[in-house]
Amino acid sequence: DTAVSQTPKYLVTQMGNDKSIKCEQNLGHDTMYWYKQDSKKFLKIMFSYNNKELIINETVPNRFSPKSPDKAHLNLHINSLELGDSAVYFCASSIAGGPQETQYFGPGTRLLVL
Amino acid sequence: AQSVTQLDSHVSVSEGTPVLLRCNYSSSYSPSLFWYVQHPNKGLQLLLKYTSAATLVKGINGFEAEFKKSETSFHLTKPSAHMSDAAEYFCVTSGTYKYIFGTGTRLKVLA
Repeated sequence: DTAVSQTPKYLVTQMGNDKSIKCEQNLGHDTMYWYKQDSKKFLKIMFSYNNKELIINETVPNRFSPKSPDKAHLNLHINSLELGDSAVYFCASSIAGGPQETQYFGPGTRLLVL
Repeated sequence: AQSVTQLDSHVSVSEGTPVLLRCNYSSSYSPSLFWYVQHPNKGLQLLLKYTSAATLVKGINGFEAEFKKSETSFHLTKPSAHMSDAAEYFCVTSGTYKYIFGTGTRLKVLA
């Protein structure tokens, strides 16, 4: 009965590969997000989706392509992986996108690019 | 633009003593403010949030925070630290469709 789930939990891959991370929420929320946490623990928004529509793309390289097949899912595909992509990627969801809404986070996907 | 500044990157306390984690905010309007905790290799858990109702906000696990407009602060406190409180704590403000995170404070609890 996990609220926000992500797969895989760990991902180790070589530079230049393409990989995907999946996110699913069973909270009935309309809005989903991807955040990146770097090695210094700093968290930054990458993308926001509302009702499957892209709302925010925070100057992320176009090697990163999010896809929302329905309101409960938001996947992240990364092409031509680079060393600097190594990070923890968190998915989150909220009822709507307003500033007062609480976001609920998944457990994170730890990506290591060798 | 909205932002939050966490004033301490590391805080160490002894078990049983009070905890104070400091956060200042910058916002041109009444902000929404949150505190989240991240235990090692875990996800982010909401401790509490402020959305312009009561200025003293009580959260889970005995944590609370007070919104002080005059000081633009939203400090997190707990009367008595427990070993299980050792974690990374994030002060967060929000815009439309995004959170803006502080740089985090690592809390260490000494036995």
